[in-house]
Amino acid sequence: DAKTTQPPSMDCAEGRAANLPCNHSTISGNEYVYWYRQIHSQGPQYIIHGLKNNETNEMASLIITEDRKSSTLTLPHATLRDTAVYYCIVRPRMDSSYKLIFGSGTRLLVRP
Amino acid sequence: DGGITQSPKYLFRKEGQNVTLSCEQNLNHDAMYWYRQDPGQGLRLIYYSQIVNDFQKGDIAEGYSVSREKKESFPLTVTSAQKNPTAFYLCASSTPRLGNTEAFFGQGTRLTVV
Repeated sequence: DAKTTQPPSMDCAEGRAANLPCNHSTISGNEYVYWYRQIHSQGPQYIIHGLKNNETNEMASLIITEDRKSSTLTLPHATLRDTAVYYCIVRPRMDSSYKLIFGSGTRLLVRP
Repeated sequence: DGGITQSPKYLFRKEGQNVTLSCEQNLNHDAMYWYRQDPGQGLRLIYYSQIVNDFQKGDIAEGYSVSREKKESFPLTVTSAQKNPTAFYLCASSTPRLGNTEAFFGQGTRLTVV
């Protein structure tokens, strides 16, 4: 499985954009980038995923670099409820083993 | 509502006892997973199952056992052979669709062995 590297922690002010980076330099052409987040003592929650185009949904935006070796998750107007651990994961487009492998993630603290 | 349910939320057991954690999903998903999470750490895969009556070991399967007799259910047994069973256990399910294999997680079971 391709590996990802994320900073262990970040913080931002409430109402400002939170930009969370992820490096996945060994990603292969058939692998997607997924983002999940985990609020304290809860199960992880799916946020967004993409292959090579930028993606946006009601929660966040995902920008993947042209060489696909890194990506950035953006929460456009962070709230206190966005304080969580954010996980960046890569997995094959059609993964016959169905595995999701989590790293340590980035702990985002949104400050009042 | 469709979802994935883990029970109980908190579980206490004495050392040396086996304990079974429940995971049920009504999402009609083929694949189910069990993860373990220790304080301040990421999730580690224990077991996963792609279809009924089939399952594979993950990265830390020693001391655990599972069964998949029904599509909806994937119970995890923490045996007395697991040396450090106290942890937060998470169950997930997913189904493959071209271009998306989003996983849904339960709310977890916090197991404390005393």
